[in-house]
Amino acid sequence: DTEVTQTPKHLVMGMTNKKSLKCEQHMGHRAMYWYKQKAKKPPELMFVYSYEKLSINESVPSRFSPECPNSSLLNLHLHALQPEDSALYLCASSQVGDLNYGYTFGSGTRLTVV
Amino acid sequence: TQLLEQSPQFLSIQEGENLTVYCNSSSVFSSLQWYRQEPGEGPVLLVTVVTGGEVKKLKRLTFQFGDARKDSSLHITAAQPGDTGLYLCAGDYGNNRLAFGKGNQVVVIP
Repeated sequence: DTEVTQTPKHLVMGMTNKKSLKCEQHMGHRAMYWYKQKAKKPPELMFVYSYEKLSINESVPSRFSPECPNSSLLNLHLHALQPEDSALYLCASSQVGDLNYGYTFGSGTRLTVV
Repeated sequence: TQLLEQSPQFLSIQEGENLTVYCNSSSVFSSLQWYRQEPGEGPVLLVTVVTGGEVKKLKRLTFQFGDARKDSSLHITAAQPGDTGLYLCAGDYGNNRLAFGKGNQVVVIP
C-alpha cells in the first residue's frame, strides 16, 4: 500500500463546531505531518510527528490539536476555528531521518469555516 | 524557514514545445525534491536530487541539482497537456522538515 488516505475530502464547519480530520497510511512510515495550504500558496508545515511523538509544532494556534494514536493514524482536531483557517489541509508521511524518498501526501481535506 | 524561490511563477506553452523552470535559494540543502500538484490534490513526488551537479531523467523531464546544492532546474521536452500542473520544489532543512517554494504553474495548451 503506497497511499496516504485522508478523510473527509471536504468539510464545512461553523466557528463553534468541533470536528476532526483523519489520516491513515500503511507504508511503515514513522514520520507523519500536517500541512496547511491556502489557494495559490505553497504548503506550510504545521506539525511533525516522529515515532508517534510530536516533535515539531510550528507555532500553530491551540484551536488546532494534533493526535497520533498509533504509527498508522494521524488526526487533527479542530475547535473554534476562524474563517481564515479555511484551506486545504494535507497529511503526509515519510521515513524518519531519510527524505531521499520524499513525502507521500494524501489528497487533502478541503476545509471551509463559515 | 529556508527560502526557495521558483521562477517563472506562471508559464503557458503550446504542446510540443520545451520549457525550463528554476528553483533557487541562498541556502544549501542536503537534498531537494520536485513535486507536481494538480488542483484539489496533494503534491506527488517526481524526483529527489542529493548530489551537487546531479542530473536525473524521468521520461521527458530532466532535473538538475546545482553544484553548490542551492538551486535546481526542471526541463520538460516536448510538453504534453498532461504535464499541466503546479511544480513545487522543496528543500530538506533538517529534522525531517521540507520547505516548499511557491511553485511554477505550467499550462500546456493542446
